[in-house]
Amino acid sequence: QITLKESGPTLVKPTQTLTLTCTFSGFSLSTNGVGVGWIRQPPGKALEWLALIFWDDDERYSPSLKSRLTLTKDTSKNRVVLTMTNMDRVDTATYYCAHLSSFVVRGDNPFNYWGQGTLVTVSS
Amino acid sequence: EILLTQSPGTLSVSPGERVTLSCWASQSVSSNYLAWYQQKPGQAPRLLIYGASSRATGIPDRFSGSGSGTDFTLTITRLEPEDFAVYYCHEYGSSRLTFGQGTKVEIK
Repeated sequence: QITLKESGPTLVKPTQTLTLTCTFSGFSLSTNGVGVGWIRQPPGKALEWLALIFWDDDERYSPSLKSRLTLTKDTSKNRVVLTMTNMDRVDTATYYCAHLSSFVVRGDNPFNYWGQGTLVTVSS
Repeated sequence: EILLTQSPGTLSVSPGERVTLSCWASQSVSSNYLAWYQQKPGQAPRLLIYGASSRATGIPDRFSGSGSGTDFTLTITRLEPEDFAVYYCHEYGSSRLTFGQGTKVEIK
């Protein structure tokens, strides 16, 4: 059974750096084809993809946020950490991590398991 | 980056009706790597369709996806009370993943 759970601060101040951890079980990020991504959703708005890391350390980032995002994975602890610098009020959102498993070609399947999400509010 | 446009923004329907949701891509979606998600308030998105037309595990057959290239459709036949939600299309074939802005299916 695959599960993912996001953890981190619920409140950050403008200009601060946000660090979120995705802790998962039921799969290994060292398995060929597996990836873990981050997606966010401002209150009442649409989903926005942020970043994705694959089993072989291939990293992908949203072009509009690339300069502010960093992903790291700890395969032994089944965790992926997302850091986002220079937080602003517009970054207030529920942040989700999600799993995907490639079938034949890297990234040929969408996110199929999601965490419950964690709401991060940016306010002074 | 592929932009996805969903139509309509909101759909008001009655239980038992058939609904058709559209998703247009600004350029051709590679290998039809187009997915549909359902999201209910306070919940994470749930994968319904992948590869434009394949149902995910456990998804009822009243949900179907079709389309290719830049035009995609999600059809729900015989809308059930639990189907009232927001639906998102998602392109995952490029290196820059994108989501549509969503279509809300509400009770008429």
